[in-house]
Amino acid sequence: DAGVTQSPTHLIKTRGQHVTLRCSPISGHKSVSWYQQVLGQGPQFIFQYYEKEERGRGNFPDRFSARQFPNYSSELNVNALLLGDSALYLCASSTDWGTDTQYFGPGTRLTVL
Amino acid sequence: EDQVTQSPEALRLQEGESSSLNCSYTVSGLRGLFWYRQDPGKGPEFLFTLYSAGEEKEKERLKATLTKKESFLHITAPKPEDSATYLCAVHTYDEYGNKLVFGAGTILRVKS
Repeated sequence: DAGVTQSPTHLIKTRGQHVTLRCSPISGHKSVSWYQQVLGQGPQFIFQYYEKEERGRGNFPDRFSARQFPNYSSELNVNALLLGDSALYLCASSTDWGTDTQYFGPGTRLTVL
Repeated sequence: EDQVTQSPEALRLQEGESSSLNCSYTVSGLRGLFWYRQDPGKGPEFLFTLYSAGEEKEKERLKATLTKKESFLHITAPKPEDSATYLCAVHTYDEYGNKLVFGAGTILRVKS
């Protein structure tokens, strides 16, 4: 079975631009979560979605937004990019929004110049 | 504030030299503790889930245990392929909903 997939793999943007990252969950999983991982640190929680509804939100500015589609795939949008947004963006899926184990994708490496 | 602290930050072992990694946590409401393994430039790979104090899980050379304030990942007779960053995360809940709070990780290097 296919695991969590993310696109693109790598992305280079300049300050002030906008970026959209995409995630497809494991088949049968209805919840998707997004994380930001800066080099040398653990992943930081951004959002969790379940059945197209937001179920959790981390401490990130309003420049970050996300949505989930009827097929349970998800997009993370970041506006007005800053140099500090450079990181590995991870998507994880789980069967529901509770205490279920989250399975991670390979990530999207975003570089902001 | 919810917090997860992992120690040591880095650990170097000789092949076959057993050791333990520590994950201590202070959260308002623990709903589960997770261990992941992460190789450089890749997404975390799930290892274990623990839900209650006293629970233990084993997989090959790894064993995870949980108390009310901390978890340990015991590595028995490690091999070079066990080299990776080991991440601990706790599932908790605040006014915004669910969240998974990660520690900074322990970088493990096993030399042959």
